[in-house]
Amino acid sequence: EPEVTQTPSHQVTQMGQEVILRCVPISNHLYFYWYRQILGQKVEFLVSFYNNEISEKSEIFDDQFSVERPDGSNFTLKIRSTKLEDSAMYFCASSAGTVSPGELFFGEGSRLTVL
Amino acid sequence: AQKITQTQPGMFVQEKEAVTLDCTYDTSDQSYGLFWYKQPSSGEMIFLIYQGSYDEQNATEGRYSLNFQKARKSANLVISASQLGDSAMYFCAMSRGYSTLTFGKGTMLLVSP
Repeated sequence: EPEVTQTPSHQVTQMGQEVILRCVPISNHLYFYWYRQILGQKVEFLVSFYNNEISEKSEIFDDQFSVERPDGSNFTLKIRSTKLEDSAMYFCASSAGTVSPGELFFGEGSRLTVL
Repeated sequence: AQKITQTQPGMFVQEKEAVTLDCTYDTSDQSYGLFWYKQPSSGEMIFLIYQGSYDEQNATEGRYSLNFQKARKSANLVISASQLGDSAMYFCAMSRGYSTLTFGKGTMLLVSP
């Protein structure tokens, strides 16, 4: 069964460092997303990406964040200068946006710990 | 703006019994989707079931069914014949068309032998 894969599964970094989280969406999907979940809290939308550009972003997705699809398979989230409050689980998701609009398939998440 | 409310922070159920997890929503959109995801302690988000706002029949997927009451803006998840492996956090979410999901705060379900 096709799946969304994310790397790394866990990253520990110092405050102020740059972090890149990587995702390989399901191959025939067209819509890509990043969500985050601070420990013990609900999942929050960060950004959606379609046709090689950001289609929507939340207020959380400020200038410290960027996304990129550098090739035909990877989808990355970059945090330029991490803050303590960026510690969270980051989920990548993708959808075909056709049969069941908005049905998202999530990766297993990348846990970011900022010290 | 969309809003999802899950009023049950935690639920307990015995193995083999049915359990209902509550979800109410608020939206001004005519077209939307409702979802339930399961998050076990390992952290991944597992898609369980989907209901479109124009679907007249309640969605079912194996032991999961979604009790969709549009007039009451509720989308409760019913798990029949609970199993120990059902112990997890359950999130209700809604989408606007092809767009993003808004999640509720979740309900922790514990299934006891």
